[in-house]
Amino acid sequence: SQQGEEDPQALSIQEGENATMNCSYKTSINNLQWYRQNSGRGLVHLILIRSNEREKHSGRLRVTLDTSKKSSSLLITASRAADTASYFCATDPYGGATNKLIFGTGTLLAVQP
Amino acid sequence: SQTIHQWPATLVQPVGSPLSLECTVEGTSNPNLYWYRQAAGRGLQLLFYSVGIGQISSEVPQNLSASRPQDRQFILSSKKLLLSDSGFYLCAWSGTPTGELFFGEGSRLTVL
Repeated sequence: SQQGEEDPQALSIQEGENATMNCSYKTSINNLQWYRQNSGRGLVHLILIRSNEREKHSGRLRVTLDTSKKSSSLLITASRAADTASYFCATDPYGGATNKLIFGTGTLLAVQP
Repeated sequence: SQTIHQWPATLVQPVGSPLSLECTVEGTSNPNLYWYRQAAGRGLQLLFYSVGIGQISSEVPQNLSASRPQDRQFILSSKKLLLSDSGFYLCAWSGTPTGELFFGEGSRLTVL
């Protein structure tokens, strides 16, 4: 079953615009992670936000977390054509040392040059 | 630095044939290892994970099996492939307390 659901499923923007993707999850978490996947490639870890954090920045990325609403958002500012990829949120609803991440269905971002 | 290698990158196999996908990690010891499958246009489904040599946990009942014969080697196998086994298989490792996963480049399997 899917722990996370991303919204929207697909997003098309122009270079220079901001892109916002949302993620909702179902159970309590220790942290929430965002990953990026270029077409036909493996996933790359972007950023992790802990359950006691509300906002985190990394370069052009800004992540927010609202544990009361069980939701997170990923903002990419000043987007570039190279940002075109699928973006997934992931959580570990089990805890412990197994780190079994459950991934959402992903948002496909297309940045038009 | 740590690296993860996964092979083969692509594979086309007939129904009923066997399967072996391999994954190795370098530059770390005693990692957690994972096999995920991604159907076309879908999210990732966790198939197996391992916290040590010979320790395999299966997440979903299926036609596949996994083995970890060495600390940094993880193998995904099948004795007889089904059409439904087609997909993009991703190996990953984790070694941090916060649980970030580091993925291989994936193996695309097409069963005909």
